[in-house]
Amino acid sequence: EVVLTQSPGTLSLSPGERATLSCRASQSVSSSYLAWYQQKPGQAPRLFIYGASTRATGIPDRFSGSGSGTDFTLTISRLEPEDFAVYYCQQYGNSRLSFGGGTKVEIK
Amino acid sequence: EVQLLESGGGLVQPGGSLRLSCAVSGFSFSSYALSWVRQAPGKGLEWVSGISGSGGWISYADSVKGRFTISRDNSKNTLYLQMNGLRVEDTAVYYCAKSLTSSWTAPATMDVWGQGTTVTVSS
Repeated sequence: EVVLTQSPGTLSLSPGERATLSCRASQSVSSSYLAWYQQKPGQAPRLFIYGASTRATGIPDRFSGSGSGTDFTLTISRLEPEDFAVYYCQQYGNSRLSFGGGTKVEIK
Repeated sequence: EVQLLESGGGLVQPGGSLRLSCAVSGFSFSSYALSWVRQAPGKGLEWVSGISGSGGWISYADSVKGRFTISRDNSKNTLYLQMNGLRVEDTAVYYCAKSLTSSWTAPATMDVWGQGTTVTVSS
């Protein structure tokens, strides 16, 4: 089973700042199957990035994904008030899916 | 509009059973793989099980293998999760989710999610 480790656990930033979220896999992951989701309290997760770097429909271009192999990054270039939420990375491989533990982006 | 609506959650005693349903509309149901994902109170997301569009591919997380059974009825546009031998640690909100693309056998990435149904296992 591929274990995804996200860091930091919590990121305290101000609106307008840049956020860099990390997702590290215990073994190499296909970039085609690395995704990022946003979740706000009381809501279902929402797909933000798939294929490691492709924005999902309606996702603003301040969000970008990068990485390959075992190290992936979600970057938010300038935080807007609606971006404060929890972000999860997720992978598929060997007929199993797994999620990282999440990074909470909170207002400083 | 693509919609997924879960139902069937509730309170059950340890060792009991529940069957969750996910009614789907707005897309060609049989063409897409689907998943169940759960979230325990205050915790992160945990993938539970997935099934291909035809039902020929099925996979489970180790934590539920042998206790949970995923299935789908393509004539009713409905996904199911039969949960037996429930444990306190199965308490969670259960989401169904749709694969991003019909070309994948497995629901490798999920682009549409339901709002979830709550399962509470307690004596």
